[in-house]
Amino acid sequence: SQQGEEDPQALSIQEGENATMNCSYKTSINNLQWYRQNSGRGLVHLILIRSNEREKHSGRLRVTLDTSKKSSSLLITASRAADTASYFCATPLNRDDKIIFGKGTRLHILP
Amino acid sequence: GAGVSQSPSNKVTEKGKDVELRCDPISGHTALYWYRQRLGQGLEFLIYFQGNSAPDKSGLPSDRFSAERTGESVSTLTIQRTQQEDSAVYLCASSLKGGSGGDTQYFGPGTRLTVL
Repeated sequence: SQQGEEDPQALSIQEGENATMNCSYKTSINNLQWYRQNSGRGLVHLILIRSNEREKHSGRLRVTLDTSKKSSSLLITASRAADTASYFCATPLNRDDKIIFGKGTRLHILP
Repeated sequence: GAGVSQSPSNKVTEKGKDVELRCDPISGHTALYWYRQRLGQGLEFLIYFQGNSAPDKSGLPSDRFSAERTGESVSTLTIQRTQQEDSAVYLCASSLKGGSGGDTQYFGPGTRLTVL
């Protein structure tokens, strides 16, 4: 079953610009996480936002959560070539412990 | 400390053969997940182990797929009678507790399976 859906599927921007990715989910959640994947291998955790939080920052990352719209956004400011990767949102399904990932957004930073 | 490890890193097999993939989670992590990722696609949930609870096998695509976990340590994913459609990267992740607690998942590097 698909819980999170990222939008857009792919995004290309110039280095230095900001990149915004969105995630929509279906069920009630108590937290949402964003992960990055380089080169089709293991994912790396970026940031977690809880359902009682609306916004969270970590370095150049800014995550928002709108539980009324069941959506989250990930903003990467001042993008760098090293930010080229796939980004996934992940949520517990139906308040269970199982984590479900979206299909991801492929971000390409152009030099 | 050591992260999640998976072996082998690459596996090439012939159609119809059985394969066994191994995952060593981070010590002390009670939750362990297996995912499948086909080329250019997202992560497909396969199975979830949490402590001594019965595993959630709802993502296993067919009865050719099975997985075991010994206590809170190593897990093996077995694919019997492999098919070409099984070709993918198989990712393992562990976390201290389950997802509802918001614990970070730590991923292994994956096993790239190619079925000829």
